[in-house]
Formats: sequence, structure tokens, C-alpha cells
Amino acid sequence: SYELTQPPSVSVSPGQTARITCSGDTLPNQYAYWYQQKSGQAPVLVIYKDTKRPSGIPERFSASTSGTTVTLTIIGVQAEDEADYYCQSADSGLWVFGGGTKLTVL
Amino acid sequence: QVKLVESGGGVVQPGRSLRLSCAASGFSVSNYGIHWVRQAPGKGLEWVAVISYDGSKKHYEDSVRGRFTISRDSSKNTVFLQMNSLRADDTAVYFCARYFETDGYFEYWGQGTLVTVSS
Repeated sequence: SYELTQPPSVSVSPGQTARITCSGDTLPNQYAYWYQQKSGQAPVLVIYKDTKRPSGIPERFSASTSGTTVTLTIIGVQAEDEADYYCQSADSGLWVFGGGTKLTVL
Repeated sequence: QVKLVESGGGVVQPGRSLRLSCAASGFSVSNYGIHWVRQAPGKGLEWVAVISYDGSKKHYEDSVRGRFTISRDSSKNTVFLQMNSLRADDTAVYFCARYFETDGYFEYWGQGTLVTVSS
């Protein structure tokens, strides 16, 4: 098995930029995905295949990749973006989630 | 529209068994891979198992392999997770999710069913 590592928490003020990282040895070779989960709800996909944004996801959500680290960026954070964010990848028939990052909008 | 509804959760003693169901509507489970993902109280998401669209492939997370079995009944359009030898650390909300194979992501999720393993 393998692991994806995320910071437990990130805090930003409204209108600022939030960056959430995810590190893992397999990330140079496998796509990364990002899910947003609000309290008591099922996760929602916000980024797929490293950098692609699904329809319906605001443009302020973007992602980038560099070596073993992928980064979710939210430019101009809004109060509604407060949630837990999980990176996810898959390799050889195993799917793995990062530990999750709680984004707090101050 | 696409809908996934989990059921079968509850309180069970350690060592006992439970079977979860994931009833699908708006699509056929014979055309999509279906995953189970769990979330312990206050914790993160943990992938559990998958059954491929044609039912030929099943994969499991290390801690459940040999104890959990994923299966499906296409006639009922339902996927199951048979959980045996349950342990306290299996306590979680269990979600089922439809997998979009082309781009490799969990496309639709159910709302989850809570499994509590406690004596």
C-alpha cells in the first residue's frame, strides 16, 4: 500500500488564497483527485486528473502538480469553501485517500 | 437521475457479521464499477473495496481483505458488502460510490450508513 500526506488544517481569511498540499511517492506516475466534504455530507469532486475542474465547480478552484506533491489552490476563498478536502489517487487496484485537510475560513 | 442508497448499518458486537446494501437507481450496476468508502467518526475517508463493472474484479483494502466481501445482484441493481469478524475499528459511516472509469473518479455517492461495532 502507499500513503498520501496532507496538512491537518489550513486557515485563511475570506478573499485570500488557500493552498492545500498532498504528497505521495506514486503521484508522479498516477493522477490525483480532490474531493470537498462539508459536515454531514458526502464528498464532492472538485479536481480530477491532476488539474481538471468538473463542470459546476467554481473557477476559483485549481490544482497543480510538481514531482511527488500536488497542490489544490482556492483563489478568493469564500465562506462556503469551509470544508474538509481530501486528495486521492489509485495504483494497482488500490485506491487511497489522503488524511484530509480542514479548511477554516476565518 | 442517478441515486445510491445504502442500508444495513447498525450496532453489532465485535466478531459478528453485517451485510450492507447499496441500491442503485438511474443506471445499471452492470455498467459501472462500484466502490465502498468508509469514514470513522471524526476521521478521514478510507477506501474499502471495489467491484468492477462486469463483476470480474474485486479489490480490497489491506485491513479488510479476508474479512469483507463485495458482491452484486444485477437483477436487484444492488451491490453488497458482507462484513465478517467485525472489529471496533470498523466503526464508520460506509458510503458506496459509482466510479467513472474513463477519468478515474468517484462520480456519485450515497449518503452513507453507520456501522457501530461495540459490545
